[in-house]
Amino acid sequence: KNEVEQSPQNLTAQEGEFITINCSYSVGISALHWLQQHPGGGIVSLFMLSSGKKKHGRLIATINIQEKHSSLHITASHPRDSAVYICAVIQDSNYQLIWGAGTKLIIKP
Amino acid sequence: EADIYQTPRYLVIGTGKKITLECSQTMGHDKMYWYQQDPGMELHLIHYSYGVNSTEKGDLSSESTVSRIRTEHFPLTLESARPSHTSQYLCASSAGTATNEKLFFGSGTQLSVL
Repeated sequence: KNEVEQSPQNLTAQEGEFITINCSYSVGISALHWLQQHPGGGIVSLFMLSSGKKKHGRLIATINIQEKHSSLHITASHPRDSAVYICAVIQDSNYQLIWGAGTKLIIKP
Repeated sequence: EADIYQTPRYLVIGTGKKITLECSQTMGHDKMYWYQQDPGMELHLIHYSYGVNSTEKGDLSSESTVSRIRTEHFPLTLESARPSHTSQYLCASSAGTATNEKLFFGSGTQLSVL
């Protein structure tokens, strides 16, 4: 079992829908990253959070440290949101990053 | 936005060749990383560095080496390329603390070994 699990693996939705991507982890962490990877490989950091909630535009990230779970939400989704969304945690024992496999999101117009 | 550069963007090379993938960043970040990523799969750490003259091995390090002679430069060398090395190689750097860190990625090098 991977230490960082994302769900769903693939998600297809219509433009305008509210999107939720989940990340569960089994190790102690100091913080968690959400990143976006577009076709062609470029990866962009979206959020880093260690507690609570962060919001940037239509993106919202939440984390529950006790439940070892984080969610990434996209409101009013748009085709340009189509990408792979990756969760990565910073292990608190050695500060190493552990990566999830990513969630491939497709937003249809 | 990101000031981290990788060259070449694409590379096709024959088995047995020695290759060096370049990565440079102009942000003055101490931490730099090399990752390997196959299509649809998670990133795997190859090597990382927390500063000049400091390099550590990741999960997939056995067939490659890195150097960190200057803060801005972190090249990855494959001494003898094999078809199993065909993959995307991503370089990253980061700044900040364990609870407040931002990652920056290069555009990647897509390597094909024939």
